[in-house]
Amino acid sequence: DIVMTQSPDSLTVSLGERATINCKSSQSVLYSSDSKNYLGWYQQKPGQPPKLIIRWASSRESGVPDRFSGSGSGTDFTLTISSLQAEDVAVYYCQQYYSTPLTFGGGTKVEIK
Amino acid sequence: EVQLVESGGGLVQPGGSLRLSCAASGFTFSWYWMSWVRQAPGKGLEWVAHIEEDGGEKYYLDSVKGRFTISRDNAKNSLYLQMNSLSADDTAVYYCATGRAHLEYWGQGTLVTVSS
Repeated sequence: DIVMTQSPDSLTVSLGERATINCKSSQSVLYSSDSKNYLGWYQQKPGQPPKLIIRWASSRESGVPDRFSGSGSGTDFTLTISSLQAEDVAVYYCQQYYSTPLTFGGGTKVEIK
Repeated sequence: EVQLVESGGGLVQPGGSLRLSCAASGFTFSWYWMSWVRQAPGKGLEWVAHIEEDGGEKYYLDSVKGRFTISRDNAKNSLYLQMNSLSADDTAVYYCATGRAHLEYWGQGTLVTVSS
């Protein structure tokens, strides 16, 4: 199974500042045949289901603000919120879909300072 | 608008069984792989199982293999999860979601509590 490790576990950032979340996979999730990284990012607000915000490591979903961006390749990935807003308070998860079982990182809780 | 509505959760004793349902609308259900993902109280996300568009292929988390069965009825736009031999470790909110890779749409979830 591919183990997904996120850091930090929690993050406190001032409004308007940058938040950076890291995700590392135990093996590469870059599929050579299509050169895609099989990795997604989800946002989960309290009391709500997760919401997919980024697929293929860097493709933002429709309607997701452009302050959210994903980067990285192979085994190391980053989710960046360029200017944190109050509505971004949530837990963020990375997930690999390179192989079954699908696996998630442990989550990073983002709060406002 | 895509809607996924789970039902069937509740309190069950250890060793008991429960059948979860997920009613889908707003998209062509038969065109999509479907997944179940669970979240224990205060914990992270754990994929449980997914099923091919026509129900032919099914994959399971090792810890539920032989106890849980995923199925679907495309005529009823419905996804199911039959859960047997439940233990406290299965206590969680169970979500259905579209896809077998990135999970695009999610329901609100249904809570399963396994306790005596």
